[in-house]
Amino acid sequence: EVLLLESGGGLMQPGGSLRLSCRVSGFDFEIYAMAWVRQAPGKGLEWVSTLTDTGTRAYYADSVRGRFTVSRDNSKNTLYLQMDSLEAGDTALYFCVKDGWENSYSSKFDYWGRGTPVTVSS
Amino acid sequence: EIQMTQSPSAMSASVGDTVTITCRASQAISDSLVWFQQKPGKAPKRLIFGASRLQTGVPSRFSGSGSGTDFTLTISGLQAEDLATYYCLQHFTYPRTFGQGTKVEVK
Repeated sequence: EVLLLESGGGLMQPGGSLRLSCRVSGFDFEIYAMAWVRQAPGKGLEWVSTLTDTGTRAYYADSVRGRFTVSRDNSKNTLYLQMDSLEAGDTALYFCVKDGWENSYSSKFDYWGRGTPVTVSS
Repeated sequence: EIQMTQSPSAMSASVGDTVTITCRASQAISDSLVWFQQKPGKAPKRLIFGASRLQTGVPSRFSGSGSGTDFTLTISGLQAEDLATYYCLQHFTYPRTFGQGTKVEVK
């Protein structure tokens, strides 16, 4: 069974930091790009970041570039999102998602976690 | 950045109706498009990948079509359990971008 389990969310003041984790099981974590997608309360889905399988290339939405850092530990099957300089607009449910292989449509965005909530408020 | 314009934003239809949702990309994305269904309080579920390929286990009443800039998700014979919000996503390039979503209400 495939499982993506996010953790680390919570309430933080503006300007603060949080580190999200996503522990993966059930597929070969180390061979796939992984992504974070967020959803603000009552709003649509927003892609946040993708990290390639080896962790050598990271991509970010303009809204978080320079403040968020994605990383992974393939030995622990875990994806991370370091969130610094948090803003009220970062308030959302953060999903960990398998981004897959670039040339394999069947592997793209097929597995999602349940999400971890982040609230930024004073 | 590729903009994904999804329409309509909301719709209401009766059981048995055929529902059509469209996504238009601001530039060509080949068939690098995924359709998701999201029910309240749940994570999105992939319905269609590669613009037209049905995810295993998804009912055959769901279908996708299109390539380039114009894409369609069709639900042929809407069921009550199809109450959800539907999103498209392009993964042709970075940043990945989602459509704004279509909330489908079943009358």
